[in-house]
Amino acid sequence: GESVGLHLPTLSVQEGDNSIINCAYSNSASDYFIWYKQESGKGPQFIIDIRSNMDKRQGQRVTVLLNKTVKHLSLQIAATQPGDSAVYFCAENIGGNQFYFGTGTSLTVIP
Amino acid sequence: GAGVSQTPSNKVTEKGKYVELRCDPISGHTALYWYRQSLGQGPEFLIYFQGTGAADDSGLPNDRFFAVRPEGSVSTLKIQRTERGDSAVYLCASSLNRQGGYTFGSGTRLTVV
Repeated sequence: GESVGLHLPTLSVQEGDNSIINCAYSNSASDYFIWYKQESGKGPQFIIDIRSNMDKRQGQRVTVLLNKTVKHLSLQIAATQPGDSAVYFCAENIGGNQFYFGTGTSLTVIP
Repeated sequence: GAGVSQTPSNKVTEKGKYVELRCDPISGHTALYWYRQSLGQGPEFLIYFQGTGAADDSGLPNDRFFAVRPEGSVSTLKIQRTERGDSAVYLCASSLNRQGGYTFGSGTRLTVV
């Protein structure tokens, strides 16, 4: 199967600081990636996506970076807020219908 | 509806019993997915429907698991002879296409005792 892993299972940041969540993937054929946010008791929620023909994409307060050379993704959250506390997953797709999810990183924002 | 609806939100069943989990996708979404999420893990793919047919059921762990989507909208995931290892959150998601990923429901937490 595929291997999508996260370097840090937990991350604590001060409110207002920037957060960086990392993800390694193993399949060089993956061409589409999504970051999801999952709050307790809820399903994963789409945050931002990126295609393999890009190396950076920005959204509102979030930026995803893709380094295909080392098969690494990161999610940067600017000015982290308490509402950002959640588990964050990266998910990869190889062109079919399945997304392969990593284990997740738990982000805690300290007020 | 506005989102993906899953019922029940929680289900406790005895080992060996049969359970059905229901998913109402977003209206108009032709693609429907079932994933299973164990504690502390990311979701794992079970099955994908495009319309009424199961286009990909490669993630179903064994023949105790079955899913249907008879009219191309609501889907039911069925688990026979439940085992304690089946305990997990079962997530349903729907989409129009791959772009933008899926919209997930809140899941059904299944506990087999």
